[in-house]
Amino acid sequence: DGGITQSPKYLFRKEGQNVTLSCEQNLNHDAMYWYRQDPGQGLRLIYYSQIVNDFQKGDIAEGYSVSREKKESFPLTVTSAQKNPTAFYLCASRGGARTEAFFGQGTRLTVV
Amino acid sequence: AQKVTQAQTEISVVEKEDVTLDCVYETRDTTYYLFWYKQPPSGELVFLIRRNSFDEQNEISGRYSWNFQKSTSSFNFTITASQVVDSAVYFCALSGKLGGTSYGKLTFGQGTILTVHP
Repeated sequence: DGGITQSPKYLFRKEGQNVTLSCEQNLNHDAMYWYRQDPGQGLRLIYYSQIVNDFQKGDIAEGYSVSREKKESFPLTVTSAQKNPTAFYLCASRGGARTEAFFGQGTRLTVV
Repeated sequence: AQKVTQAQTEISVVEKEDVTLDCVYETRDTTYYLFWYKQPPSGELVFLIRRNSFDEQNEISGRYSWNFQKSTSSFNFTITASQVVDSAVYFCALSGKLGGTSYGKLTFGQGTILTVHP
């Protein structure tokens, strides 16, 4: 089945460590997005990519990094510079400007 | 810059009541797209509807209806005869074109938590 797969579903990180969240899609979509969700703050855009080897910062990019080496994959690295990384992270993809975004099931990251 | 505001943080209703979720947006783009999503407790966002800036027709789908008014920059969502299964977080989103790019940013509102009591 076509869709977006995020892994892992739950992730625990020690303070000071980098961690990478995986996002893979087989929908042949050009655009991919990473969002962070905190209680009461909705979805905030971290990074987005409209084409392979290109990406743009969203509203809260500090402390995060991404790569887009393949159309299917858009991994997000949460670096030690991110002061409050505990959150729910959602990845999405879109096939066109007029179309809706499809979302993965999310990764819940907890810093311990 | 683009912005989506969902002023209602939480709404609580009793089953069978009608409920309207408000969404107000800001954008400088002349062409843009509006969306509504539902997020059940499982966490995955479920797409409900898309509307483009040139189409101000209201839409009804079963118990769901949407009222798009460009003059007031609003795209409100009404659930008629609410049910317990409607309990979820609902998000309004906006996508425009920026600097000639094809996709632009996809900006979400803060979400409205809807609780429907039996």
